Amino acid sequence: EVQLVQSGAEVKKPGESLKISCKGSGYSFTNYWIGWVRQMPGKGLECMGIIYPGDSDTRYSPSFQGQVTISADKSVSTAYLQWSSLKASDTAMYYCAKNGVTAGWDYWGQGTLVTVSS
Amino acid sequence: QSVLTQPPSVSAAPGQKVTISCSGSSSNIGNNYVSWYQQLPGTAPKLLIYENNKRPSGIPDRFSGSKSGTSATLGITGLQTGDEADYYCGTWDNSLSAGGVFGGGTKLTVL
Repeated sequence: EVQLVQSGAEVKKPGESLKISCKGSGYSFTNYWIGWVRQMPGKGLECMGIIYPGDSDTRYSPSFQGQVTISADKSVSTAYLQWSSLKASDTAMYYCAKNGVTAGWDYWGQGTLVTVSS
Repeated sequence: QSVLTQPPSVSAAPGQKVTISCSGSSSNIGNNYVSWYQQLPGTAPKLLIYENNKRPSGIPDRFSGSKSGTSATLGITGLQTGDEADYYCGTWDNSLSAGGVFGGGTKLTVL
C-alpha cells in the first residue's frame, strides 16, 4: 500500500526556522517526483515545488523560489520542506504528494499544519 | 490568481447531475493530461480522475472527466450529500519549471 506520512503540526514564532517531513512507503521512492503543496486557510491548492528523489533534481514555482528549500534523503525515503525564517504569512496546511507521471498527484500525505504567530 | 480557471461554486439537488469546468491554455491543458481532485472538509485532496477521463480504483463511475482543447470538465451524476466538497483540476504547465498547476477550486453544495 502506497503511503505518504507527514510530520506533525507545528507552532512557531516569526523568524524561527522549520523543517517538515514526508516519508514514503509502498512504492519505489526514488522513481517518482514528490511535490509540496500549500493550502492557506480557506484557499486553494498551490504547487510550491517538486523533487525527484532519485537524483535530487529540484524545481520551484516562481512564487516560492528563494522562500523555501525542498530536499530529500532517499536512504530513508523522506522528502523535506524547510524555512530559514518563518513569517506569519507562512501559516498554512502543507501537503506532500506523489506524482504518478501521467496520473497526476495520485497519493497525498495527510498534511502538516504550520502556524506562525508571535 | 490560479493558472487554471474554475467556477467558485456549483450546486444541485441530490440525485441530480452537475458539471465543473476548468479552463487553461495551450501551455497547460492544451498539451497535457488533466486530473481532478476531491477535498472533503478537513481532509487531504484525493485523486478522482487522471489522464483526462480515467478513474482510479475505488472511484465510482458517477464521476467522469473529459477534455477538449484547452478546457476540461468534471461530471458528477446521482449526487449524494457526501459529495459536498471542494473540487480542483490540475495539470502540468510546460512554461513553468515546477510544472504542477491547479485550478482555484469549486465548492460543490448538494442542496
